[in-house]
Amino acid sequence: EIVLTQSPATLSVSPGGSATVTCRASQSVRTNLAWYQQTPGQAPRLLVSGASSRATGVPARFSGSGFGTEFTLTISTLQSEDSAVIYCQQYERWPYTFGQGTKLEI
Amino acid sequence: QVQLEESGGGLFKPGGSLTLSCAASGFPFIDYYMNWIRQSPGKGLEWVAYISHRSNTVYYADSVKGRFSVSRDNANSSLYLHMNRLRAEDTAVYYCAGWELLVSDAFEIWGHGTVVTVSS
Repeated sequence: EIVLTQSPATLSVSPGGSATVTCRASQSVRTNLAWYQQTPGQAPRLLVSGASSRATGVPARFSGSGFGTEFTLTISTLQSEDSAVIYCQQYERWPYTFGQGTKLEI
Repeated sequence: QVQLEESGGGLFKPGGSLTLSCAASGFPFIDYYMNWIRQSPGKGLEWVAYISHRSNTVYYADSVKGRFSVSRDNANSSLYLHMNRLRAEDTAVYYCAGWELLVSDAFEIWGHGTVVTVSS
């Protein structure tokens, strides 16, 4: 099973600032990596797939990058509504797995 | 609009059984690969089961293999998770989620989830 490790566990950022979440894979997933945002009481929402392609309706201030085993999601011009838990997920190999999550506090 | 609505959750005893349903609307269900994903209280996301668009292929997480089975009814745009020999650790919010054929295997669409509690 491919293990995804996210860092940091918690990230506190002021409004207007930027945040970077890192996801490391235990083996290469090429670009088969997605990022999700989950606000309290809601289902996760797809932000990025293919490591860097924003999902429909996701603002350009969400930016994904990386290849192989190391990936980042950067969110710029942070707003209060961006407070959420961020997850990465690999779909290179079954079982598809998620990172443990990064709590983003604005 | 695209919608997935889960149902069937509740309070169940260890060793018991239940079936979760997921009703799809607003998109061509037959064109989507579907999954069940769960989230234990205060925890992260765990993929549980996958079924291909014509039910030819299914996969399960090791934690549920042999106890859970996934099925779908394309004529009625519905997805199911049959859960047997329930354990306390199956307590979670269960989401149905999926992606469109020929698009990346990221979970593009999600339901709102249904809560399953396993307790005596």
